[in-house]
Amino acid sequence: QKEVEQNSGPLSVPEGAIASLNCTYSDRGSQSFFWYRQYSGKSPELIMSIYSNGDKEDGRFTAQLNKASQYVSLLIRDSQPSDSATYLCALSTGTASKLTFGTGTRLQVTL
Amino acid sequence: DAGITQSPRHKVTETGTPVTLRCHQTENHRYMYWYRQDPGHGLRLIHYSYGVKDTDKGEVSDGYSVSRSKTEDFLLTLESATSSQTSVYFCAISEAQGETEAFFGQGTRLTVV
Repeated sequence: QKEVEQNSGPLSVPEGAIASLNCTYSDRGSQSFFWYRQYSGKSPELIMSIYSNGDKEDGRFTAQLNKASQYVSLLIRDSQPSDSATYLCALSTGTASKLTFGTGTRLQVTL
Repeated sequence: DAGITQSPRHKVTETGTPVTLRCHQTENHRYMYWYRQDPGHGLRLIHYSYGVKDTDKGEVSDGYSVSRSKTEDFLLTLESATSSQTSVYFCAISEAQGETEAFFGQGTRLTVV
């Protein structure tokens, strides 16, 4: 079992809809959780971090964390074509803030 | 944008040759990391540093070495490049451990022929 699991997609949503991206993880000791966006040929860009159970909202983005069920999700409201990218779920466990990544979910926002 | 510069951005090298990639930061962050990204595997940690001259191995460290002689520079060396080391390499930095975020450089695309 991989430490961080994501559906590779592509996840296709129409413009203006809500995109829901999910991630499950196996290490219950994980402390910090992150969502990165990566456009093709570019580097990962941090869009959300979440450290405690519940929801965290930032503009059109909402991250949700449920440590008991070991999942973290990202909701993108009013999806735009510019949101089309690969979204990477990452978590940090233990010392030195080393990140473990999922393989990413490719999101396509269609006109 | 975090002040992280990777060099070179692209490199083609021959099997068996040594290669050094450089990561330079202007943020004075304590932690620096080298990741590689390959299709189907995502980003995987190669080595990381938690201070000047303090480094440790990551998940895929075989065939790689690192050095950090100054806070701002973290070097990744492939002693004898192999085709399996063809990848995109990313440097990342983080201010502290715990509830803190990591930021990535632009990446280096390395091709070993």
